[in-house]
Amino acid sequence: GIQVEQSPPDLILQEGANSTLRCNFSDSVNNLQWFHQNPWGQLINLFYIPSGTKQNGRLSATTVATERYSLLYISSSQTTDSGVYFCAVERGSNSGYALNFGKGTSLLVTP
Amino acid sequence: EAGVAQSPRYKIIEKRQSVAFWCNPISGHATLYWYQQILGQGPKLLIQFQNNGVVDDSQLPKDRFSAERLKGVDSTLKIQPAKLEDSAVYLCASSLDPRLWGYTFGSGTRLTVV
Repeated sequence: GIQVEQSPPDLILQEGANSTLRCNFSDSVNNLQWFHQNPWGQLINLFYIPSGTKQNGRLSATTVATERYSLLYISSSQTTDSGVYFCAVERGSNSGYALNFGKGTSLLVTP
Repeated sequence: EAGVAQSPRYKIIEKRQSVAFWCNPISGHATLYWYQQILGQGPKLLIQFQNNGVVDDSQLPKDRFSAERLKGVDSTLKIQPAKLEDSAVYLCASSLDPRLWGYTFGSGTRLTVV
């Protein structure tokens, strides 16, 4: 299956700061998703972004499919942004959309 | 719309005991997934159903894990017998068309095997 590597593994920010999270993947993908897992364990879909750029409020994501990486940008971070951010890609062409997840970036935003 | 419901929320069992988890996906979502999330790692797919048929169970430890989705709606995941390394959060997710609508995850069941 396609391998997913995320960096950095941990990140501590002060409220208001900006950050960039990176996801590298080992093969071409049809489906790349970013998720946020809050401190209570709930996983929330942020973006479906196999290529190009999308924005949703203070969050935006860019995937450069030809170079096999994706970036998640968080601007003006808030304490509620804390949690773990996962990048996930489809397991294979006939996988029926099931995902392989990276190990995540653990983000702590301090007041 | 209601989310993906999972129960129980927490479970503590002794090794070699059996345990079962239940998932009720969002109404109309044909695809249902069970993931295992060990502390500090990303979720790992255990099994995927399309309606009541299995699409992918290649990572399910079939000697001890089983899952079913009768009538293509609710699903149960069972572990028998449990091992210490099965301690994890078991997440259920459902989707209609994930490239359009994404995935909806339940809150998970946290299993501790002692």
